[in-house]
Amino acid sequence: GAGVSQSPRYKVTKRGQDVALRCDPISGHVSLYWYRQALGQGPEFLTYFNYEAQQDKSGLPNDRFSAERPEGSISTLTIQRTEQRDSAMYRCASSGLDSTGELFFGEGARLTLL
Amino acid sequence: AQSVAQPEDQVNVAEGNPLTVKCTYSVSGNPYLFWYVQYPNRGLQFLLKYITGDNLVKGSYGFEAEFNKSQTSFHLKKPSALVSDSALYFCAVRGPLGQAGTALIFGKGTTLSVSS
Repeated sequence: GAGVSQSPRYKVTKRGQDVALRCDPISGHVSLYWYRQALGQGPEFLTYFNYEAQQDKSGLPNDRFSAERPEGSISTLTIQRTEQRDSAMYRCASSGLDSTGELFFGEGARLTLL
Repeated sequence: AQSVAQPEDQVNVAEGNPLTVKCTYSVSGNPYLFWYVQYPNRGLQFLLKYITGDNLVKGSYGFEAEFNKSQTSFHLKKPSALVSDSALYFCAVRGPLGQAGTALIFGKGTTLSVSS
């Protein structure tokens, strides 16, 4: 697509439910990144992929968080047994093969826990 | 591990005056440095980057940034601020890479407010 697309854009859920956030990167982009951004803070790195391989998941806060990118394109970030503290903006970004290249961000997915 | 510091939570300038938003970094080896801007309820937009070469980098919307290796700084500048420049600005660093794709590490952001 023309840009990075995230869905849903807004998700309201009850504590304890599982949530899946989807990211469709720019066509042809090799690398895909997930970030979490609290209000008034900078984006916090969660994990990233090159093609379908998860290269670094050191930023995932605990084992309730997982991500996959099975075919090297669309990615899903899953949060199991959601908690109040998971409320945040979740941002996806992608970049090309050029290792010096900038990241292109989607509009983000706002997760709100009731 | 790489890190970025933005020492100012907010910068206030009058329209037409020059602006500077400060950023310092810590990284092993040569850094790749970036500035992004975030408008309310929008995603992050790339402004400019430093990879190598000239220490003064020019980017979008008339912004520029100066890389200073000895001071490990990468301050964002603009000669004449506009009210429409009011937004949240993020500095980011990425360490040297052995393969395609390494995550950017972002600072906490600086809110720029330009008054008319």
